[in-house]
Amino acid sequence: AQSVTQLGSHVSVSEGALVLLRCNYSSSVPPYLFWYVQYPNQGLQLLLKYTTGATLVKGINGFEAEFKKSETSFHLTKPSAHMSDAAEYFCAVSDWGGSQGNLIFGKGTKLSVKP
Amino acid sequence: KAGVTQTPRYLIKTRGQQVTLSCSPISGHRSVSWYQQTPGQGLQFLFEYFSETQRNKGNFPGRFSGRQFSNSRSEMNVSTLELGDSALYLCASSPGGGVTDTQYFGPGTRLTVL
Repeated sequence: AQSVTQLGSHVSVSEGALVLLRCNYSSSVPPYLFWYVQYPNQGLQLLLKYTTGATLVKGINGFEAEFKKSETSFHLTKPSAHMSDAAEYFCAVSDWGGSQGNLIFGKGTKLSVKP
Repeated sequence: KAGVTQTPRYLIKTRGQQVTLSCSPISGHRSVSWYQQTPGQGLQFLFEYFSETQRNKGNFPGRFSGRQFSNSRSEMNVSTLELGDSALYLCASSPGGGVTDTQYFGPGTRLTVL
């Protein structure tokens, strides 16, 4: 069965600093991985996804993530944090076991950005 | 295209009551999934519908049910509400519900059970 672990429930960075949000997955089949962002009182918005092909995936708002099979990781990065990046971020893997692409989510990481 | 819409946005119910939540997917999307989000358990999959058929179900009691109509709109129902059902209920749609499909989420319905 697939699972996702996000290290760090809260991460705080200064504006302009590097953002690094960690995600490790467990999967016995090729994983399809997603990062979503949730702003307060809103639904989830897709940042980026990895299906096949290039392991470095670029997403919206300057975010990117690298799929590393050997480390079973899919960490999310952004070179320079902006105040508007403050939100909760969720890593997810498609649940093959359910026969369709329903998502298994990590517990989320709340990102705070200090001025 | 209009995004996924959910109604109502907020609900307050008391224990023992039942509630129905509605979700309208993005036009052309045939798969609708429902998730429950709570501070303690995070985001958990409830069920997924495709072409009016439930294809997949998460680990929730039978009090949670759903359906999908011919226009792909979906409803979920929770009967005999418990305090622990207080949560944000999110609906997501995708073109076909495949493993690589992006799921597009609505803003959610926040249910409070008193």
